[in-house]
Amino acid sequence: KAGVTQTPRYLIKTRGQQVTLSCSPISGHRSVSWYQQTPGQGLQFLFEYFSETQRNKGNFPGRFSGRQFSNSRSEMNVSTLELGDSALYLCASSLGSRDTDTQYFGPGTRLTVL
Amino acid sequence: DAKTTQPNSMESNEEEPVHLPCNHSTISGTDYIHWYRQLPSQGPEYVIHGLTSNVNNRMASLAIAEDRKSSTLILHRATLRDAAVYYCILAYSGAGSYQLTFGKGTKLSVIP
Repeated sequence: KAGVTQTPRYLIKTRGQQVTLSCSPISGHRSVSWYQQTPGQGLQFLFEYFSETQRNKGNFPGRFSGRQFSNSRSEMNVSTLELGDSALYLCASSLGSRDTDTQYFGPGTRLTVL
Repeated sequence: DAKTTQPNSMESNEEEPVHLPCNHSTISGTDYIHWYRQLPSQGPEYVIHGLTSNVNNRMASLAIAEDRKSSTLILHRATLRDAAVYYCILAYSGAGSYQLTFGKGTKLSVIP
């Protein structure tokens, strides 16, 4: 079974631009979560989607948004990029039927904002 | 959210057992104990989880204290590939949170 895939793997943007990251979950998984990882703050939860609906949201500004498609693939968008948005963005998928389900992570997208 | 406490770092010799401790004194009755690890330049990887009883899988063993206020992840024979940051996480069943709250974890170094 193929794992979680994320594209692109690396991105360089400048302040003020916007960016879209993509995540393809494991086949059969209906939940997709997004996390941001920085050296200072560690791994922080952004939001979670299940059956095309945002079911949970972390404490991030509205510049961070996401969506999920009917095939469970998910995209995350960051508008008006700031230097502090430079981070590794990780996507995780799970069955989503129980909140203790195991999450399977992708390799991440490394975003650098100049 | 219930919190966990882990040592910042640990070292182990290759091919020896490793015991990674985690304290979770405020754990509630329905909190599951999950362990994930993150190898360098990779996303986190599920290792093992449990509720009350000790658990074994092909990767590791999880020993849970009788009062559930602490647990230990056991790697039976450390290899160089086990060098990673190990995260002990509590997941509350029924909270509807569907998220993992990561702490700083324990950085495990394996010495050849």
